[in-house]
Amino acid sequence: EVQLVESGGGLVQPGASLKLSCVASGFTFSDYWMGWVRQTPGKTMEWIGDIKYDGSYTNYAPSLKNRFTISRDNAKSTLYLQMSNVRSEDTATYHCTRRPYGGFDYWGQGVMVTVSA
Amino acid sequence: NTVMTQSPTFMFTSVGDRVTMSCKASQNVGVNVGWYQQKKGQSPKRLIYWASNRDTGVPDRFTGSGSGTEFTLTISNMQAEDPASYYCLQHNSYPWTFGGGTKLELK
Repeated sequence: EVQLVESGGGLVQPGASLKLSCVASGFTFSDYWMGWVRQTPGKTMEWIGDIKYDGSYTNYAPSLKNRFTISRDNAKSTLYLQMSNVRSEDTATYHCTRRPYGGFDYWGQGVMVTVSA
Repeated sequence: NTVMTQSPTFMFTSVGDRVTMSCKASQNVGVNVGWYQQKKGQSPKRLIYWASNRDTGVPDRFTGSGSGTEFTLTISNMQAEDPASYYCLQHNSYPWTFGGGTKLELK
């Protein structure tokens, strides 16, 4: 069974940095592109970016490219999202997703990030 | 960026109804569209990929259709377990973009 379990969220102050993790199981992690999607409190879905199966290539939403970094450790079957200089508009639930050829198939339950002073 | 416009935003239905919702792309996305169901408190679940292919285990009352700029998700026989928000996603070009969602509720 495919499982994606995110962690690392919480309450952070504006301007701070935060690193989210997603541990994958139930499939060969190193065979798949992976991605991050966030959902705002108002339920808007936003694609954040994705990373190639070997970690050699990444894509980002233009509005987030300068502050967010996606990486992975295939030996640990773990995907990461490094967020820097966070803003109130980054408040959202962050989902890790598996990205086979053709969209996302599996999503993690998500981790909540709240940016507030 | 490709804008995905879903309609209606909100829909009341009854068990047994045929339900149709729309997703329109601001430019040609081919068949690079998926449909996702999100029930309250849960993560999204993919129902349809490549515009018209049903994921494994998805009931055949869910049908996706369309290509280019216009896409439709149809529930042929609404069931009590189908109230949820439904989202379309285009993965034809970066940045990938989602529709705003259609929230389906039972009367």
